[in-house]
Amino acid sequence: QQQVKQSPQSLIVQKGGISIINCAYENTAFDYFPWYQQFPGKGPALLIAIRPDVSEKKEGRFTISFNKSAKQFSLHIMDSQPGDSATYFCAASNYQLIWGAGTKLIIKP
Amino acid sequence: DTAVSQTPKYLVTQMGNDKSIKCEQNLGHDTMYWYKQDSKKFLKIMFSYNNKELIINETVPNRFSPKSPDKAHLNLHINSLELGDSAVYFCASSQDLTRTYEQYFGPGTRLTVT
Repeated sequence: QQQVKQSPQSLIVQKGGISIINCAYENTAFDYFPWYQQFPGKGPALLIAIRPDVSEKKEGRFTISFNKSAKQFSLHIMDSQPGDSATYFCAASNYQLIWGAGTKLIIKP
Repeated sequence: DTAVSQTPKYLVTQMGNDKSIKCEQNLGHDTMYWYKQDSKKFLKIMFSYNNKELIINETVPNRFSPKSPDKAHLNLHINSLELGDSAVYFCASSQDLTRTYEQYFGPGTRLTVT
């Protein structure tokens, strides 16, 4: 069965700190590993995505680290800001998206 | 310009009723999706259409019936609503099946069944 396991379920980080969310997958037949950000009352929005032949991808303060042998990937948010407070979802894609359960991130001022 | 729009935004109805949610995308995408997000925020794919053809039909009660009149529209009709159908329903689209990872979501329809 295709699954993506995401942790932690919730995370509180001080402003300026680094937020780290981890995901692990089982199936190897995925072509992309995206992260989505969802604010309350809104739909999820693509934040950043990585292909499995790349070990790291950075966009601004957001970085995906990918470990193919361990079947794990993580999102790092550097210099976390209160505006980053949202629910974050990792996912894995083939012909559909397999979603993680989400992480509620709160950045304390 | 709204890329993916849904109507209505809120829907409150009684058990046993039939209701529809409409979705439209103006991105020129070939693939559209319906998701259900429960109170714990878990996202569950319900249906996927590519060029008006049903691609994914997950284990969803047959009270739920999608309809795609054209590539830009994917509507969801729900018969005999039950309390457990209360959730937020999201429509999404992607350019095609090769860009499944890049989905654009609508604002959601919060369905409350009483």
